Amino acid sequence: QKEVEQDPGPLSVPEGAIVSLNCTYSNSAFQYFMWYRQYSRKGPELLMYTYSSGNKEDGRFTAQVDKSSKYISLFIRDSQPSDSATYLCAMSFFGNQGGKLIFGQGTELSVKP
Amino acid sequence: DGGITQSPKYLFRKEGQNVTLSCEQNLNHDAMYWYRQDPGQGLRLIYYSQIVNDFQKGDIAEGYSVSREKKESFPLTVTSAQKNPTAFYLCASSPTGTGSYTQYFGPGTRLTVL
Repeated sequence: QKEVEQDPGPLSVPEGAIVSLNCTYSNSAFQYFMWYRQYSRKGPELLMYTYSSGNKEDGRFTAQVDKSSKYISLFIRDSQPSDSATYLCAMSFFGNQGGKLIFGQGTELSVKP
Repeated sequence: DGGITQSPKYLFRKEGQNVTLSCEQNLNHDAMYWYRQDPGQGLRLIYYSQIVNDFQKGDIAEGYSVSREKKESFPLTVTSAQKNPTAFYLCASSPTGTGSYTQYFGPGTRLTVL
């Protein structure tokens, strides 16, 4: 079993839809949770960063962490064609090999106009 | 304009050759990382360095080597010992201290072995 599981998709939605992207994990030591967006043939860019449990909102993006269920989510409201990309979840814990991140496989999202 | 640069963007190599991928950052970050990305897989850690003149193996270090002679630079050499080197290689950096678990990525180098 992988430490971090993410549905690879692809996920296709119409413009304006609410998108839900999810990751589950097995290591209860994870404390730091991130979502990255990666456009085709580009490097990942940091979207959201959350420490421990709770919600964090930034514009159309909301990140949720439920440590009791070992489950994290990224919601995108009013999705746009420019949101079409691969979304990677990543997580770590204090003292983990110099800040090593564990990544999910990535979910490919396509937003159709 | 701060950031991470990787060169070249595309690289072709014949079997049996060593190649070196460049990574430079001007973010004044202490930590630097090399990842490999294959289709349908997440990023896998090759090597990382938290300080100049020191580096550690990641999960898939076999067939790769690195150096960290300057804070800004962390080149990766893909040796002929790497059995399946065709992949997308990503360099990242991170500050140490509070918030250091966020990493910032370069644009990547796509290596193809012919």
